[in-house]
Amino acid sequence: AQTVTQSQPEMSVQEAETVTLSCTYDTSESNYYLFWYKQPPSRQMILVIRQEAYKQQNATENRFSVNFQKAAKSFSLKISDSQLGDTAMYFCAFVDNNAGNMLTFGGGTRLMVKP
Amino acid sequence: DAGITQSPRHKVTETGTPVTLRCHQTENHRYMYWYRQDPGHGLRLIHYSYGVKDTDKGEVSDGYSVSRSKTEDFLLTLESATSSQTSVYFCAIKALAGGTDTQYFGPGTRLTVL
Repeated sequence: AQTVTQSQPEMSVQEAETVTLSCTYDTSESNYYLFWYKQPPSRQMILVIRQEAYKQQNATENRFSVNFQKAAKSFSLKISDSQLGDTAMYFCAFVDNNAGNMLTFGGGTRLMVKP
Repeated sequence: DAGITQSPRHKVTETGTPVTLRCHQTENHRYMYWYRQDPGHGLRLIHYSYGVKDTDKGEVSDGYSVSRSKTEDFLLTLESATSSQTSVYFCAIKALAGGTDTQYFGPGTRLTVL
């Protein structure tokens, strides 16, 4: 069974600074996807970024980027130029492409962006 | 928002009563999912569907049943609600985006079982 671990329950960052959220996962599969989802106080789950395991290049989406270390099974999220609207819970998630249907989530990191 | 709606958005019910939550999508996606979210657990899969009348169990399926009689609707039923089923319930669909199968979520339903 796959597991996803987010070791930082809470983090804070000053507005305009950079923060990195950690995620590690455990799997014996080689074909999988990784995701970061954001959950603001509205409770909506919003996709932030995704990474295919077969791609060596780290994914980027505007101010969001990942550091994907496949051998270390690490998938961290970097948020640059943090904004107040980035305040939210962030969840790392894994899906095995061979099984294809169950997202396995970490326990989440609560990020507070301070003015 | 991937055209997903959930109803009701909030519900309070009593132990032992039946409850049905509805997920509706407008974009003809084949795969639909029900997750529950509890503190410290992220989201956990309850059941999913891969087509009309085709469903399968997820990680935490005990006490839940599902039905999908139309592509656009996926129903989650708690036959006899218990306090342990107090949770936030999310529906999701799977869509191909940027070459990657990705799950997109509805707005959630907060269920309280007294």
